[in-house]
Amino acid sequence: EPEVTQTPSHQVTQMGQEVILRCVPISNHLYFYWYRQILGQKVEFLVSFYNNEISEKSEIFDDQFSVERPDGSNFTLKIRSTKLEDSAMYFCARSGTGAYEQYFGPGTRLTVT
Amino acid sequence: GQSLEQPSEVTAVEGAIVQINCTYQTSGFYGLSWYQQHDGGAPTFLSYNALDGLEETGRFSSFLSRSDSYGYLLLQELQMKDSASYFCAVRDNTGFQKLVFGTGTRLLVSP
Repeated sequence: EPEVTQTPSHQVTQMGQEVILRCVPISNHLYFYWYRQILGQKVEFLVSFYNNEISEKSEIFDDQFSVERPDGSNFTLKIRSTKLEDSAMYFCARSGTGAYEQYFGPGTRLTVT
Repeated sequence: GQSLEQPSEVTAVEGAIVQINCTYQTSGFYGLSWYQQHDGGAPTFLSYNALDGLEETGRFSSFLSRSDSYGYLLLQELQMKDSASYFCAVRDNTGFQKLVFGTGTRLLVSP
């Protein structure tokens, strides 16, 4: 099944700067998710998006994070004031046709210096 | 809360069979999934078990025992390309289907 695309593939930013990560679903699905994976660690849930609204967010998803679907198609994850510990891979995912699989985009590697 | 534990690393040789275990503690259970992730890549869905027993998909099989809160992924006829990290995951019980991932197992296949 087609997945999602993400841009940029790699983003380097200085601490305190804002970054915007983008996710483009290839087909229309109801559920979308953002996950984070710090190097060498497990994948962690950030936020889910259902029917163009945030449906759930984790404790990681604090006030510095926001997610939008500005044009009804693309999704953006914004980190307002980046910290060193935000350095990670950020994955966008969509739900599958079944209730139990998700399909991940290639990810954006964020490096905060 | 939910937690899923896996061995950190497993090594095997080409052609062998390897089993990757996953034990979980969840407040609600909607099935156990397995994902493969190559270095630098995205997690890709492998299999899912909602009920007890074995599910087979080619060289990969996945097993679930809900009474033991335990599952495993079985990889047969190992190939070098199977070297990757493998994560078990449970679907959250909130209804919005987020995945909670295990700690991950790095599989190293040698010639």
